[in-house]
Amino acid sequence: DAGVIQSPRHEVTEMGQEVTLRCKPISGHDYLFWYRQTMMRGLELLIYFNNNVPIDDSGMPEDRFSAKMPNASFSTLKIQPSEPRDSAVYFCATRGSYNSPLHFGNGTRLTVT
Amino acid sequence: AQSVAQPEDQVNVAEGNPLTVKCTYSVSGNPYLFWYVQYPNRGLQFLLKYITGDNLVKGSYGFEAEFNKSQTSFHLKKPSALVSDSALYFCAVRDMDSGAGSYQLTFGKGTKLSVIP
Repeated sequence: DAGVIQSPRHEVTEMGQEVTLRCKPISGHDYLFWYRQTMMRGLELLIYFNNNVPIDDSGMPEDRFSAKMPNASFSTLKIQPSEPRDSAVYFCATRGSYNSPLHFGNGTRLTVT
Repeated sequence: AQSVAQPEDQVNVAEGNPLTVKCTYSVSGNPYLFWYVQYPNRGLQFLLKYITGDNLVKGSYGFEAEFNKSQTSFHLKKPSALVSDSALYFCAVRDMDSGAGSYQLTFGKGTKLSVIP
């Protein structure tokens, strides 16, 4: 199993541009989570899906952020327009059965200038 | 609400010495506890978990953790540290009684472990 695959690994963009981060979950995992990691705030849960349906998006910081999961093998996190304070590492994580641990991707390091 | 505290931002230990990374938690119901490790430029990797049963949980790479309900702690330990253990360690908690329809794993801020040769 290749694990959770995120792309791109690094993204540098200018303020105001649209950014799309991608995640391919582990096959068979029903839950998918998007986290953001910064030095100041640590790991923050942004949104999570169960069977492709968004369950809790209370962690999404602003309307500029949106996430979709059109099918069981793909999810996107979009920021439009991006701002410098969005600079962070964004992780996708998935899990299978109810009490199993999370499996994290290697993250996307976003820099907004 | 649930929360996790990792009181030490950094822990330094000499290679071969025992190590402890501290974690305390707060939940309304029964806790479901995890430790994860993060190496540079990588995602978090699962080390071990506690659900119920034996208070001493053994995990990957020789790590273990002790659940202490009265002290609401779940400290990570290893008898003999290796230089390769140097990484960022995260404790996480979930309230087992929150119901199947709600999943919220709360992470601590992380503790940087440095093992000195």
